Amino acid sequence: SQQGEEDPQALSIQEGENATMNCSYKTSINNLQWYRQNSGRGLVHLILIRSNEREKHSGRLRVTLDTSKKSSSLLITASRAADTASYFCATASYNTDKLIFGTGTRLQVFP
Amino acid sequence: DAGVTQSPTHLIKTRGQQVTLRCSPKSGHDTVSWYQQALGQGPQFIFQYYEEEERQRGNFPDRFSGHQFPNYSSELNVNALLLGDSALYLCASRVWLAGDHTGELFFGEGSRLTVL
Repeated sequence: SQQGEEDPQALSIQEGENATMNCSYKTSINNLQWYRQNSGRGLVHLILIRSNEREKHSGRLRVTLDTSKKSSSLLITASRAADTASYFCATASYNTDKLIFGTGTRLQVFP
Repeated sequence: DAGVTQSPTHLIKTRGQQVTLRCSPKSGHDTVSWYQQALGQGPQFIFQYYEEEERQRGNFPDRFSGHQFPNYSSELNVNALLLGDSALYLCASRVWLAGDHTGELFFGEGSRLTVL
């Protein structure tokens, strides 16, 4: 079963614009991670935010976490055509090693 | 430094057959997990192996089984294939860390299984 739901399901923007994706989840978590997937290939880890953190940055990525609302957002600033991919949030609970993935957001960045 | 490698990359089977997928973890990693990703969906956890034992299992039937070898590589076996088993099967690895089991995973490119 899927833990998270990403919103929107699909997003199309122009190069240089910012892209924001949201993720909601259902149970308490240890951390939340974002992954990127190009055209049905392997997933690449982007960023991890722990349950006691509220915001984290990595290059052009900014992630926020609101545990009271059980939601997270991923912001990609100054997007590039190479950012075109599917983005998944994944939650990790305490005392378990499995990640529970959301349904993903398909991002299309037009040059 | 080789990342996670999986084989085969693509394969086609018919209903009722059996399939074996293989995974070599990233160098230095000792823990392997398998995920199934149906078309248009997020990956779903199948099971995890550490020290040649299945440590955790997701909501998958016994037709799905696995193995980990002393060199940390792993196999995923699926028996009595169903049409619904068609998916991308992803292997992920990490270093086992006592007390913190939920860090970053490194994924392979996957094995795409089509069941006809």
